[in-house]
Amino acid sequence: GESVGLHLPTLSVQEGDNSIINCAYSNSASDYFIWYKQESGKGPQFIIDIRSNMDKRQGQRVTVLLNKTVKHLSLQIAATQPGDSAVYFCAEFGGYQKVTFGTGTKLQVIP
Amino acid sequence: DTAVSQTPKYLVTQMGNDKSIKCEQNLGHDTMYWYKQDSKKFLKIMFSYNNKELIINETVPNRFSPKSPDKAHLNLHINSLELGDSAVYFCASSQGLPGQGRRSYTFGSGTRLTVV
Repeated sequence: GESVGLHLPTLSVQEGDNSIINCAYSNSASDYFIWYKQESGKGPQFIIDIRSNMDKRQGQRVTVLLNKTVKHLSLQIAATQPGDSAVYFCAEFGGYQKVTFGTGTKLQVIP
Repeated sequence: DTAVSQTPKYLVTQMGNDKSIKCEQNLGHDTMYWYKQDSKKFLKIMFSYNNKELIINETVPNRFSPKSPDKAHLNLHINSLELGDSAVYFCASSQGLPGQGRRSYTFGSGTRLTVV
């Protein structure tokens, strides 16, 4: 499944399916991006990052895609598991002291 | 060992009271931050200190006063608490100045403040 929007949308995905979480960033000068995962009662945790000179970066079960033309970032999670249930944020870094967080997407994994 | 620890985890208090939240990091980072997360999970930076010096001060009411006794500690004192101050407050730290060491950004587990 996919999610778009800026008001904490909820994405419900069946266990084992792939998830796609989207983020629209605001600053065309942002040169570095991080996806964070926030589980209930915890702080955001680093998942994966990407620099603006890249289009794609892969980690373990996660892939981040960057489209600078439309200022769009996506996080793909392969074979989604119950432990992936959390709120996911993108953060854009646009130079000295400038970091902006997106509003997040809540991922619910249905067993 | 917890890398960024904040206390208390929960804080319930009446309007008009003064309260403090404490944060400590054992990562050796140079920069510490306070963020406010609202009910829609939006994270907004409030303050940032680098080696005990204030370097980011967003538009935050004067009732909020951060204090950094050393680079491993950043506390947040709030005077005359209001209902709208209810939120989750996150402390974070990173290596180097903001904008540098970005990958090292580490968050605490948050303090849920409820003003009644």
